[in-house]
Amino acid sequence: EPEVTQTPSHQVTQMGQEVILRCVPISNHLYFYWYRQILGQKVEFLVSFYNNEISEKSEIFDDQFSVERPDGSNFTLKIRSTKLEDSAMYFCASSQDRGDSPLHFGNGTRLTVT
Amino acid sequence: GQQVMQIPQYQHVQEGEDFTTYCNSSTTLSNIQWYKQRPGGHPVFLIQLVKSGEVKKQKRLTFQFGEAKKNSSLHITATQTTDVGTYFCAGYSGGGADGLTFGKGTHLIIQP
Repeated sequence: EPEVTQTPSHQVTQMGQEVILRCVPISNHLYFYWYRQILGQKVEFLVSFYNNEISEKSEIFDDQFSVERPDGSNFTLKIRSTKLEDSAMYFCASSQDRGDSPLHFGNGTRLTVT
Repeated sequence: GQQVMQIPQYQHVQEGEDFTTYCNSSTTLSNIQWYKQRPGGHPVFLIQLVKSGEVKKQKRLTFQFGEAKKNSSLHITATQTTDVGTYFCAGYSGGGADGLTFGKGTHLIIQP
């Protein structure tokens, strides 16, 4: 069964540094998402991406964050000038359609900001 | 904005006992989805409910969507150790929104 893949599995960075989290969504899916989960807490929506542009973003997704689909397969989340509170598990997900269809999540990238 | 509340936050059961988690939305939903996250894992889709009053079953799991499409429940009969994990409901409001709003999840802990 096709999978969403994410790299790296764990990223440690110093406060103020930039990080790029990478994802390869399922190939025939049209919607791509980033979600965040602080340890032991709920899964929070960050952003959705469709047709090469952001289609929706949450309040969490401020100017510090950006997303990009640099080629036909990768989908990246960039966090500029990381803060301690950005430490979390970041999940990429994809779906065939918006909220009507199931999300397929990747294994996540655990970001630790020190 | 839309809020999805889920209770209980934690549930300890003896293996073989039943388990239920409840989900309530502040707004009427277009659909609701349920996900399971094993410890250290990622959310995995279980089921989607769309129709008012809908009931779906997957083996020992029974999912219900309320008549008003604002609440839902997941019931597991005769829990097994493989049921351990966190169960999240996620509501989709439609109307052009893309993102699902997840509840805080119910952590199911099973004592053998």
